[in-house]
Parts: sequence; C-alpha cells; structure tokens
Amino acid sequence: EVQLVESGGSVVRPGGSLRLSCAASGFTFDDYGMTWVRQAPGKGLEWVSGINWNGVRTGYADSVKGRFTISRDNAKKSLYLQMNSLRAEDTALYYCGRESGPAIAAAGTRYWGQGTLVTVSS
Amino acid sequence: IQMTQSPSSLSVSVGDRVTITCQASQDISNYLIWYQQKPGKAPKLLIYDASNLETGVPSRFSGSGSGTDFTFTISSLQPEDIATYYCQHYDNFSYTFGQGTKLEIK
Repeated sequence: EVQLVESGGSVVRPGGSLRLSCAASGFTFDDYGMTWVRQAPGKGLEWVSGINWNGVRTGYADSVKGRFTISRDNAKKSLYLQMNSLRAEDTALYYCGRESGPAIAAAGTRYWGQGTLVTVSS
Repeated sequence: IQMTQSPSSLSVSVGDRVTITCQASQDISNYLIWYQQKPGKAPKLLIYDASNLETGVPSRFSGSGSGTDFTFTISSLQPEDIATYYCQHYDNFSYTFGQGTKLEIK
C-alpha cells in the first residue's frame, strides 16, 4: 500500500524558515517524480513544486521561486521542501504527492499524504 | 497558462446532471486532469488526459474536450459526489489548477 506521511509543519514568524518532510513507503520511491501542493484555509489547490525521480529536474510555482527548495533522498525514501523567507500568504496545508511517472508534472498525482499545516504569523 | 474553471459553485440535487467547464488560456492538447476533493481530505484523481476514467471511478463521471475547452460531467449526481472539483493542466514542467467548483445540495 502506497503511503505518504508529511511532517514538519508548525507556526513560524514571517521571514522565518521551515523544512517539510514526506516519508514514502509501499512503492519503489526512485521510480517516481514527487510533488508538493498546498491549500490555504478555505481556498483552492495550488501546485508548489515538483521533482523528478533522480532529483536532477525541479520546478516551482512563481509564488515560491527563489524562496523554496525541493529535494529528495532516494536512499531514505523521503521528499523535502525547504521554505525560507516565509510570508503570511504561505499559510496553508501542504500535501506531498506521488506523480504518475518518473518526471515532474506528468499526467497527475494519484497518491497523496494527509498534509501538514504551516502557519506563518507573528 | 491560466486555467479558468466555472462555475465556482453549483447548487445541485441528487439525480441532477452536473457540468463543469475548464478553459485554458492557450492550446493544451488533452493535458488535463480532473480531481475531486471532499472536506478534510486530499484530492482524488478522477479523469486523466481529459477523457480517460481512472480505474475504480464510477462511470457516471466523464470528461471531454481538447485544445482550450474542457467539460467534466456527472451524469446523475449521487450524495457522495458532493465535493469540490478541480481541473489541472500539466506540461512536464509544472501544474496549474483551476479555481475549483464547489457542489452544494439545493
């Protein structure tokens, strides 16, 4: 059974940093690209970042480019999102997702974690 | 590329035929996905490549379209279909979601 478990969400002050993690199990992790999607309270879904199977290719939404960094450790079957210079508008539930194939943004996300909440507030 | 989804909300009754549209700001071929999201839950992929039904998804759900104009249809709404539905474009570099359509019981 595919499982994705996010962690690392918390309350952080504007300008602060946070690192989210996503632990994967139940599939061959390095066969798949991975993605982060967020959802602000009461709002829609926003794609944040994606990474291909070996970590060589990454992609970012314009809203986080230059502030967030996605990475992965295939040996640890883990995905990460380093978030710097956080803003109030980054407050959201952050979901980790498994892509349909080895690439970024390739034909949809079929497996999701339960999300981890990031709150940016002074 | 911008994805414009409409309507943003829809008041529906059980048994209704429900139609949601998604328009791309430029030709995206058939690189479109439809998701269902229930409150407090992660999204669920229903339709991929604009018109292909995901395995295990009931046949009352369907999708159509190509280029810039896409349609998602529920042929006969069931109580468990009350949710928010999103379209999503993919291009092997990034994803873009539509704004979502929230279904509410009339």
